[in-house]
Amino acid sequence: GAGVSQSPRYKVTKRGQDVALRCDPISGHVSLYWYRQALGQGPEFLTYFNYEAQQDKSGLPNDRFSAERPEGSISTLTIQRTEQRDSAMYRCASSYTSTVVKETQYFGPGTRLLVL
Amino acid sequence: AQKITQTQPGMFVQEKEAVTLDCTYDTSDPSYGLFWYKQPSSGEMIFLIYQGSYDQQNATEGRYSLNFQKARKSANLVISASQLGDSAMYFCAMRGKYAGGTSYGKLTFGQGTILTVHP
Repeated sequence: GAGVSQSPRYKVTKRGQDVALRCDPISGHVSLYWYRQALGQGPEFLTYFNYEAQQDKSGLPNDRFSAERPEGSISTLTIQRTEQRDSAMYRCASSYTSTVVKETQYFGPGTRLLVL
Repeated sequence: AQKITQTQPGMFVQEKEAVTLDCTYDTSDPSYGLFWYKQPSSGEMIFLIYQGSYDQQNATEGRYSLNFQKARKSANLVISASQLGDSAMYFCAMRGKYAGGTSYGKLTFGQGTILTVHP
């Protein structure tokens, strides 16, 4: 009965480095979502998957951001050539499905990224 | 496009009193859902309550209830009998089918309201 898990919980990196953030959704959940949350703000959508298929990537800020979910379970959000403006909390969420509007998204604890 | 507006940056309430947190929304989707999440200082996001656009009755979950006024496009959260543990940031969020799609994807969040419960 584990919830959504994310790793690492904290990541400090230098500008220009690549980072990979991992999300392990609730077992059996088809849909997986990535959000970014700035301090004191609401989460902002990045992208989401149904199974291994990326359904919507309209929220990815630029081509330095990419995500994958190759086997329909664990997902990785990769940020290449990080910049200081990428510093934020990156949250993953999962839901059983995305075909029903009331399906609740359950959030992980987030990865706090700091780019120096 | 979907938009959520929370106009109260901060709210204060005395313990055991009721408080209403405002949320208005804008969407062209006929079918949509409205969610409230609580984010305590620990940072987790906790789902509280859901209201569907076609639901005839206002949603209730324990001390939480949703005052849904579809014509006004508002979905205010009411917390009854406030407790010290209710002190947190509260987010209103909406979900609908985007761009004529067949599935419901992203949640669109408001800016949040910080609730402080005084003893």
